Amino acid sequence: GAVVSQHPSRVICKSGTSVKIECRSLDFQATTMFWYRQFPKQSLMLMATSNEGSKATYEQGVEKDKFLINHASLTLSTLTVTSAHPEDSSFYICSASRDNYEQYFGPGTRLTVT
Amino acid sequence: QKEVEQDPGPLSVPEGAIVSLNCTYSNSAFQYFMWYRQYSRKGPELLMYTYSSGNKEDGRFTAQVDKSSKYISLFIRDSQPSDSATYLCAMRAGGSYIPTFGRGTSLIVHP
Repeated sequence: GAVVSQHPSRVICKSGTSVKIECRSLDFQATTMFWYRQFPKQSLMLMATSNEGSKATYEQGVEKDKFLINHASLTLSTLTVTSAHPEDSSFYICSASRDNYEQYFGPGTRLTVT
Repeated sequence: QKEVEQDPGPLSVPEGAIVSLNCTYSNSAFQYFMWYRQYSRKGPELLMYTYSSGNKEDGRFTAQVDKSSKYISLFIRDSQPSDSATYLCAMRAGGSYIPTFGRGTSLIVHP
């Protein structure tokens, strides 16, 4: 159990466009979902924490108007990168937690902005 | 100084070797310690989860926590090429459910 999926796994978009990434908990209800960003050979950097039905809590330095997070249900959270720029190219990983202790990670989405 | 320090490697070992991966930390409030394995272009997978000091063993993996030295280790016995991955340590305080991650150590086990 505790499987988390992400879609798409890879996306290439042009500068100025918006991209939506979905994160789903497939076999459990996630009270909390997390969005991370990871640059090559770097650690996971938490971007935001979201609870179903409420606004996401963003980490310091993360632009909430640029990285829109919607946690519509207990099994789905979406991250939309608005007006993407090449510097937004990165590996985005979500995780889901059902008990606020253990996080189960998705397989990640590689975003390339040209 | 970062809260969690981890040597990025790469660490290259022959098949069958005992591997030692380590992290140091500065926040004495950390009580929960995790090790994740991350294959290339994949999300992290939880390997070991320990609370406070001591050892925990699971198959070929042993996690060790020394809170007095603020030092944690992951040992892999009889390493296999399939163990080649990046290993991330993570830790969190008792009142928080958000861990702080190390930058990961790249491990290469060659046949």
